Amino acid sequence: DIQMTQSPSSLSASVGDSVTLTCRASQTIASYLNWYQQKPGKAPKVLIYGASSLQSGVPSRFSGSGSGTDFSLTINNLQPEDFATYFCQQAHSPPWTFGQGTKVEIK
Amino acid sequence: QVQLVQSGAEVKKPGSSVKVSCKTIGGTFSSDAFSWLRQAPGQGPEWMGDIVPVFNVANYAQRFQGRATITADESTRTVYMELSSLRYEDTAVYYCARNQRGSSLWFDPWGQGTLVTVSS
Repeated sequence: DIQMTQSPSSLSASVGDSVTLTCRASQTIASYLNWYQQKPGKAPKVLIYGASSLQSGVPSRFSGSGSGTDFSLTINNLQPEDFATYFCQQAHSPPWTFGQGTKVEIK
Repeated sequence: QVQLVQSGAEVKKPGSSVKVSCKTIGGTFSSDAFSWLRQAPGQGPEWMGDIVPVFNVANYAQRFQGRATITADESTRTVYMELSSLRYEDTAVYYCARNQRGSSLWFDPWGQGTLVTVSS
């Protein structure tokens, strides 16, 4: 199975900050990488698919980049509703696997 | 707008089975693919398997092969996941989700989740 490793596991930031979350795959996955946001007690919601394509309805302050094994999710101008946990998911080879998440907390 | 509505929370004893349902509202259903995923506390989601109702053939992650059974009922637009031989470590929130394909394969939307607690 392809292992997905996210870093950091958590970070603290303030409203208006920019943050970058990273995700590394245990083998090359081209651009088959998706990002999700999850709030407590809710199901994950897709933000980015195919490494850099913004899901319809997702604010443009979210952006994704990377290919191969290293990927990043950047959130510009953090808003109060962005404080959540973010997961990456590879879609190169089944079983589709997720990272352990990065929790973005309010400083 | 597709909506996925799951059955309610379950408490089960070790060694028993649980069956969770996921009713779809809107969308085409039969030609869509639906996945089951689970999420233990503090962990990332884990993909268990998927099914395309019109073919009624399920694919499973190897670790769930033989213990999970995913089925679909086209007449009620409902997808089911049954997990047998339950262990304490199967305690998790179980989600259904629709597979979306394009430049990748992602899950959208998701059901609201069903908490399955395995406890003696």
